[in-house]
Amino acid sequence: SAVISQKPSRDICQRGTSLTIQCQVDSQVTMMFWYRQQPGQSLTLIATANQGSEATYESGFVIDKFPISRPNLTFSTLTVSNMSPEDSSIYLCSVERGRFFGPGTRLTVL
Amino acid sequence: AQKITQTQPGMFVQEKEAVTLDCTYDTSDQSYGLFWYKQPSSGEMIFLIYQGSYDEQNATEGRYSLNFQKARKSANLVISASQLGDSAMYFCAMRENGATNKLIFGTGTLLAVQP
Repeated sequence: SAVISQKPSRDICQRGTSLTIQCQVDSQVTMMFWYRQQPGQSLTLIATANQGSEATYESGFVIDKFPISRPNLTFSTLTVSNMSPEDSSIYLCSVERGRFFGPGTRLTVL
Repeated sequence: AQKITQTQPGMFVQEKEAVTLDCTYDTSDQSYGLFWYKQPSSGEMIFLIYQGSYDEQNATEGRYSLNFQKARKSANLVISASQLGDSAMYFCAMRENGATNKLIFGTGTLLAVQP
């Protein structure tokens, strides 16, 4: 099993600012996934992050808005850039092809 | 395109009773995986159970079982002996067993367990 932690657990941010979310796993994993869950909605994959290569973004998500880093096999960051109220969501990282999720970061943009 | 459908926005069940949450899927892939997750109000996603498309037997994990009917493309979750702590949102998801390994989620079912 994998234990995943995320920081911050929640944040309230102002429009136009950026927030970096960290995802730490207690074991080495090849693929890390970042999901977004808008209020009252289901989860949508933002991108897949592999160590040593550029992240692969899903349709509707771009690197300028959601830059991702993957410096090693246990850590990744997702930045939400130039935020607007529409970015208010829960952001979750996942590993082991969906079996494990982090506790999520609840973001509110004012 | 792959799709997951959960037709029950909300369900009620009495404590200690069994409940079935429906999930149908659409895919042209032969190899895929089906997941169920529980999401309490805290927002975390808790993995409950997994069924592979080639698994001949229905998956079971404690009080959770997955009623897998491949020909009907359905993967219903059965929760036996419901507990108050089972009240949460439940999501069905499918994973493409290809290069991407991404999950496609249904819209979820909100389960309320009544005493």
